[in-house]
Amino acid sequence: EDQVTQSPEALRLQEGESSSLNCSYTVSGLRGLFWYRQDPGKGPEFLFTLYSAGEEKEKERLKATLTKKESFLHITAPKPEDSATYLCAVRRNTGTASKLTFGTGTRLQVTL
Amino acid sequence: EAGVTQFPSHSVIEKGQTVTLRCDPISGHDNLYWYRRVMGKEIKFLLHFVKESKQDESGMPNNRFLAERTGGTYSTLKVQPAELEDSGVYFCASSQGRESSPLHFGNGTRLTVT
Repeated sequence: EDQVTQSPEALRLQEGESSSLNCSYTVSGLRGLFWYRQDPGKGPEFLFTLYSAGEEKEKERLKATLTKKESFLHITAPKPEDSATYLCAVRRNTGTASKLTFGTGTRLQVTL
Repeated sequence: EAGVTQFPSHSVIEKGQTVTLRCDPISGHDNLYWYRRVMGKEIKFLLHFVKESKQDESGMPNNRFLAERTGGTYSTLKVQPAELEDSGVYFCASSQGRESSPLHFGNGTRLTVT
């Protein structure tokens, strides 16, 4: 069974204090690892898809990396507006490739 | 472009009643998904439509849940009769036909069964 474990559960940073969120996964035949951002009362908002070990994607202050066992979401010089829950999900190799398995997320709070 | 729209945003019903959730996907998206998050748990897959056909319904909890997608456009998820454990946030997502296309989520329907 596919498993996704995110750590830490919660993280509090000061503005400008860089850090990384971790997503460890177990999946048979990875067909994509996804990062989403979720604000309170909203649905998950797509950030990145990574497909193979060594791949990196960047968007503003966020950079996602992937190894064979885990992915990191690096946040450089965060701002208060980066506060949100960050979700990691994996898609396995199936005929339909429809099903995402999510982690429980990391709640990030960035303070002034 | 308009995003995925879900109605209602909140619903409070009593155990034994029926509730129908609606999802309007992004125009042109053939793939439509339902996911659910119960309190304290991760978001879990319920089912996947390709146009009007159910492609994968392996995540549906039991036969009290019925999903339909009329004419390959909007979708409804009916819970009948509702039980206390059905409480949670129900998310709908849609994607284009390519396998690499990311899922775009709606803001969810928060269902509370009392």
